Amino acid sequence: DGGITQSPKYLFRKEGQNVTLSCEQNLNHDAMYWYRQDPGQGLRLIYYSQIVNDFQKGDIAEGYSVSREKKESFPLTVTSAQKNPTAFYLCASSIQVSQETQYFGPGTRLLVL
Amino acid sequence: ILNVEQSPQSLHVQEGDSTNFTCSFPSSNFYALHWYRWETAKSPEALFVMTLNGDEKKKGRISATLNTKEGYSYLYIKGSQPEDSATYLCAFSNDYKLSFGAGTTVTVRA
Repeated sequence: DGGITQSPKYLFRKEGQNVTLSCEQNLNHDAMYWYRQDPGQGLRLIYYSQIVNDFQKGDIAEGYSVSREKKESFPLTVTSAQKNPTAFYLCASSIQVSQETQYFGPGTRLLVL
Repeated sequence: ILNVEQSPQSLHVQEGDSTNFTCSFPSSNFYALHWYRWETAKSPEALFVMTLNGDEKKKGRISATLNTKEGYSYLYIKGSQPEDSATYLCAFSNDYKLSFGAGTTVTVRA
């Protein structure tokens, strides 16, 4: 059963702590994306990756980092430099980076203690 | 960041009634317009991708139209059912990325 999984569903971050959100896909897609959702706003692009070992900043990359060591995996680290990390984070993938349809995971909600 | 506006922000509709709502987007450098349905506790799910001015797409009781010259798209739900309750997102595609609107949340009352 192909799809995108994200874990954990809820994540708590302490002050000054880095946390990593997991995103895995078995759709054999080249492109992967991370979005952030805040109340009343559209999804905003944090980072995207066109292919393994390549990634690019999106519109709100400050305070975040990513890696793409495997085609299937695109983890997002929320660093201590991100001053307002409380949000809902969605991972997506598509066959290529283009105007193609993106397929989304179920999301991770990050809360600050 | 490209400005994609959706209106209304939310609406309530009686079961069996039809409804529609709007997505407006920049009319320049247009590649594609996407509609997604996002049900509570689920992942956003693609409904339509439209690329040509005048495009009309239909999936069951849901349909969408596209006007790229004036920069808007309508999504229509005919004979609304409780399972249509969801947030409907539109996304404007400009080259490599999607710019999303904030969504229209539809609640169908039985």
